[in-house]
Parts: sequence; C-alpha cells; structure tokens
Amino acid sequence: QVQLQESGPRLLKPSQTLSLSCTVSGGSMNSGSYYWAWIRQPAGKALEWIGRMYIGGTTNYNPSLKSRVTMSADTSKNQFSLNLTSVTAADTAVYYCASLSGTYALKWGQGALVVVSS
Amino acid sequence: SYMLTQPPSVSVAPGKTATIPCVGNDIESKIVHWYQQRPGQAPFLVIYYNSDRPSEIPERFSGSASGNTATLTISRVEAGDEADYFCQVWDGSSDDPYVFGPGTTVTVL
Repeated sequence: QVQLQESGPRLLKPSQTLSLSCTVSGGSMNSGSYYWAWIRQPAGKALEWIGRMYIGGTTNYNPSLKSRVTMSADTSKNQFSLNLTSVTAADTAVYYCASLSGTYALKWGQGALVVVSS
Repeated sequence: SYMLTQPPSVSVAPGKTATIPCVGNDIESKIVHWYQQRPGQAPFLVIYYNSDRPSEIPERFSGSASGNTATLTISRVEAGDEADYFCQVWDGSSDDPYVFGPGTTVTVL
C-alpha cells in the first residue's frame, strides 16, 4: 500500500521560500493511478487544497496561491515537491502530501508543521 | 468558490448514533467525501462518493445526501470514533475543485 512522508525545513522567516518534499513508498509514482497533491491546514482552520500534479500530465494550483506555488516531481526518487514563495505568517500550517484518486484524497502523509515567524 | 458549513461540535453517548451534517448549495448534485482526523494524526478517508466505504471502515459509518445537506452517520458510536470529521466536495466546474468543510469535532460522552 502506498505510504507518503513529508520532509523539509519547518521554520521559516517571512519572505522566504517554503520547500517540502514528499517521498512515496509502496508504489511507483509513474503507475498512472493517482494524482499527487499538497493540502495544508492552518491551526484550527479548514483544510485547503494547494495543488495537484499528474505524472506526465497537467499540474493544477489553487487560484488563491497560484502566483506563489510550484510543484515538481523526481520520479527516479519517487518524490514530489512543493515550493511556496514569499511566505508570511498566514502560511503557517500543517502541510500534507497526499495521493488523489480523482476527486478525493486516498492516502495522506503524516503532515509537516511549517511555522513562519520573524 | 463553493462553500461548505459544518457544526463545530457534536456530542454523543456511547452506543448511540452521531449525525454530522455538511451544508452546501445543492450538495446532492455534488460528489461528497468524508474524512476522519484523530488528534495529531493525518486525515483518513471514511466515506467516498457520498456513501461508499473503504474496505477497512466499519459498516457503522454511512453517508447520504439530500438537497443542500450531506450527512455522515456513525451508528453504535464507540470511544475510538472521537475525532474531527471533514466533508469534502469535488466541484469540477471550479479552478478550486477540492473544497473542504471546516470540520466537526465528535465527542463521545
């Protein structure tokens, strides 16, 4: 069964770039079975979809974050990544990577708390 | 973009039935999924496509939708069901198609 694990710096200063990676195990990202996504959850708030990518296909981003977000994949490492530029305190959240089976998130990583503070 | 509302909390005695509503405009025409999130853990899919259950989810969990309300029902509630529950809608006509509700905390008395 597919497992996902986030990694990356957890403490950032305002204006820096958030960079997280998600390592996929138990299956190949190239299988074509899933989209690969990032979702975040500020403390006490609702989950927010950041973006999704399909290996060899399209990448879609949340319009509210589109100008600052880039997703990419390294299929040789079975990893995909998130870059979010010009972060502010409002970007403090738990960031989850997930596999999407079309319209829903089938499997989630454990989550990575990223704090933006001066 | 599409909006969902959920009550902040629901309390239920063990063995009773918990009903968790998720309200959105004409939600019965949408695809609705539900997730459970225990404290400190990642969300976990419990209902997909309105009423289907992953194989590892007990039959006590069920989903339905009518009009503007989708509902997650947990029958014969157990202490282990205490968690946050989020609804999620797929809005394929939107650039922001994965819309989540704010979540409901289920407390087992």
